[in-house]
Order: sequence, then structure tokens, then C-alpha cells
Amino acid sequence: NAGVTQTPKFQVLKTGQSMTLQCAQDMNHEYMSWYRQDPGMGLRLIHYSVGAGITDQGEVPNGYNVSRSTTEDFPLRLLSAAPSQTSVYFCASRNLRTSGGTEAFFGQGTRLTVV
Amino acid sequence: AQSVTQLGSHVSVSEGALVLLRCNYSSSVPPYLFWYVQYPNQGLQLLLKYTTGATLVKGINGFEAEFKKSETSFHLTKPSAHMSDAAEYFCAVSAYLTNTGNQFYFGTGTSLTVIP
Repeated sequence: NAGVTQTPKFQVLKTGQSMTLQCAQDMNHEYMSWYRQDPGMGLRLIHYSVGAGITDQGEVPNGYNVSRSTTEDFPLRLLSAAPSQTSVYFCASRNLRTSGGTEAFFGQGTRLTVV
Repeated sequence: AQSVTQLGSHVSVSEGALVLLRCNYSSSVPPYLFWYVQYPNQGLQLLLKYTTGATLVKGINGFEAEFKKSETSFHLTKPSAHMSDAAEYFCAVSAYLTNTGNQFYFGTGTSLTVIP
């Protein structure tokens, strides 16, 4: 059982370039989300989705786009990379069908550097 | 609205000593509370969670946490630190707010150093 898989693990971009961070989960979870992790700031929510065709903004959505065409995949697109987007990005998924506060399952992260 | 405060961005303990990592939360509805651990260059792994029922929750690797509603706290403890416990620890809160799903709110993390 792979869980949540993120690719790539590392990426260097030049300012202005675009790219897509991939996230896939094999647990049939409805909820998927993207966070960025920066020193001293914990994890901040970028975008999330509660099912195929449904996405919404989190705390820090500017500069990022998402789509959810399938239950399994939730790619994060950087439209025009900026140095401020240098960060570690985590994808997470949750099962919303089970009541009682289910935990989030995280991918291994993508370390992105924008130069 | 929900939020989490972790007191102490860095904590150092000697090997074999008590580990205490502090977490206070704010929630307008009954919360669900979580502790995650992050080892270097890895993703976040669930240590333990509180949803309902018993307020003392036991997790993996000998960690436990107690939900104290009156103090709005969910501190993480371990009686005896091991070198392998050195990591970043995150407290998180969520609550079922609407049918669009319940969000996680993370604290800023506490880096635990274990001194041999």
C-alpha cells in the first residue's frame, strides 16, 4: 500500500518558470490538500479538495493552482515561480466517510528551490 | 475558528529524561487533536490522536498526551527520552465544521534535541 506519493522529491526552478507537483493517493480518500512548510511557520494550507471536481483555497493560495479530475490525483501548479515559493511542499489526504476526526496521511514532501 | 500554539520552538532533554512538549489549542467547537512527528527529510507521521472518550491517549514509541478541556491543552509526554526521539513535533487541531470537510490547523512545531 503506497499511501500518498509525491513527485518529484527535489526541484530547482528559475524565477518565472512553471511546473506541476504531482500527488497521488491509493486509499480512496475524498479529502486531499497541499501544505507548504517554512522554518518557524509550521504547515500552511495552500489548497484543498473534498472530492473530484471540487477545490477550494486555503490560507496561502496565491501563485498556485489545483485541479481534481480524479479521486486519486491532486496536482499543484506553480504558474510563474518566485523565490518566495522556495519551500517544502506536502500533500495530504484524509478519509471523510469515517466520523470522529480522522488523521491526515502525508506524502514524503517535495523540496522546491526557486532561484 | 481553530488555532494551535506550541510553546517552545526548541526543546533539549538528556537521554533518559522526561520529554514534555506543550500544545494549547483554541476551538469554538469540541476539537479533535493530533500530534505528528517529522524526522529529517521525511513527511509527517501520526503519533497519536484524541477524538472522543478517554482523555489520556497513548501513541507510538511510548508517547502519550492528555486532553485537558479546562486548560485547552494537549501536551505530549514521554517518560524517558531516546536518541531516536530527536525530531520535529507538530500539534494539530481540527473540528467538523461544515460538510465541506474539516481542516487541520498546525502549530509552528517544536524541535526536540536529545543530549547523550
